[in-house]
Amino acid sequence: GENVEQHPSTLSVQEGDSAVIKCTYSDSASNYFPWYKQELGKGPQLIIDIRSNVGEKKDQRIAVTLNKTAKHFSLHITETQPEDSAVYFCAASSNFGNEKLTFGTGTRLTIIP
Amino acid sequence: SAVISQKPSRDICQRGTSLTIQCQVDSQVTMMFWYRQQPGQSLTLIATANQGSEATYESGFVIDKFPISRPNLTFSTLTVSNMSPEDSSIYLCSVGGMNWAAHNEQFFGPGTRLTVL
Repeated sequence: GENVEQHPSTLSVQEGDSAVIKCTYSDSASNYFPWYKQELGKGPQLIIDIRSNVGEKKDQRIAVTLNKTAKHFSLHITETQPEDSAVYFCAASSNFGNEKLTFGTGTRLTIIP
Repeated sequence: SAVISQKPSRDICQRGTSLTIQCQVDSQVTMMFWYRQQPGQSLTLIATANQGSEATYESGFVIDKFPISRPNLTFSTLTVSNMSPEDSSIYLCSVGGMNWAAHNEQFFGPGTRLTVL
């Protein structure tokens, strides 16, 4: 089955700086890679996703890159703000998301004011 | 995104008892899933809830412990049976395959926080 590794497990950055979280996956059949943000006491919130036919996707301060050859994808958050503090999870799925998700272990991001 | 509600939002239960968690979506969805998230951990898929047929369970999870129902395209229940303190977790439902969605995004409910004494 699919295995998703995520690094780092914790990340602290100064407000205004950039944050990068990296994930690798094992199953070459995976072609859908969402990122979720989970705030304390809440369910995970989908913030951005990418499909294997695209190398990069941006949405305002958030971007995701995908390297299919190396089987890794990354989340980039620029101009970080205190409200970006949360736990972030990457995930992978086949059939363009029409299958179950396999999650990474999570990254606790803390933005230092 | 879809509006997903879960009931109860939290509960404290005695060992040996059972709890049924409900998940309701405001639109018809193709896919519904149940996850467990232990404190400080990632999400682990328990099963895929199939409408009109038995749920598909992941390795390590069995129907006798986690019976699931999905009577229609907007509702599902997960029962945690014969509970022990090890079952203390957050239980989350997720949905996907909405007709209005551009792609097959999956969205999560707010979760049910279960504590077993």
